[in-house]
Amino acid sequence: AQRVTQPEKLLSVFKGAPVELKCNYSYSGSPELFWYVQYSRQRLQLLLRHISRESIKGFTADLNKGETSFHLKKPFAQEEDSAMYYCALSGSGTASKLTFGTGTRLQVTL
Amino acid sequence: DAMVIQNPRYQVTQFGKPVTLSCSQTLNHNVMYWYQQKSSQAPKLLFHYYDKDFNNEADTPDNFQSRRPNTSFCFLDIRSPGLGDAAMYLCATSRPAGGLFTDTQYFGPGTRLTVL
Repeated sequence: AQRVTQPEKLLSVFKGAPVELKCNYSYSGSPELFWYVQYSRQRLQLLLRHISRESIKGFTADLNKGETSFHLKKPFAQEEDSAMYYCALSGSGTASKLTFGTGTRLQVTL
Repeated sequence: DAMVIQNPRYQVTQFGKPVTLSCSQTLNHNVMYWYQQKSSQAPKLLFHYYDKDFNNEADTPDNFQSRRPNTSFCFLDIRSPGLGDAAMYLCATSRPAGGLFTDTQYFGPGTRLTVL
């Protein structure tokens, strides 16, 4: 069975502070990992995926297969980063089907 | 803008009274999904259509059905809603790229269902 764990329901940081949203997964094969974000009163949307290995809005995430983690990081938090962040996994052979974590609410304060 | 639309945004129904939620898309995507998201929980996939092929998740209750009359529309029918079915229902679409990697899903705004 595949599972995604986001241990923090709420993460509160000051503007300019580093951010790390944790995500751990359980999957026996080669997973694809994603971060989806939902800003206030907006729909859920893709932030980034591990395959792309790119930085989006200053966020990066590295897949660590040894630790089965895919933590989302940003060196300097901005107010507009405040949102709900969901880590998601798609397993091999189940293309397009996502298993989501319960999400972490990031709150960036002045 | 091409997008995924869900109607209504808020739906109130009575215990046991059938209800239908609607999703439409202008993206011309092959795949349409329905997720259920209860408060403070992860979105949970109920089923998806790949074109006309229906794919039900093993743990989706029989009370939940879906129809996809054409590429643009997909409906979620709850035959006899219970109090435990109150949730946000999310529709999403994707277009398989035909490669090895999972395609991006595009979500609608959701319909919040209340069961009285």
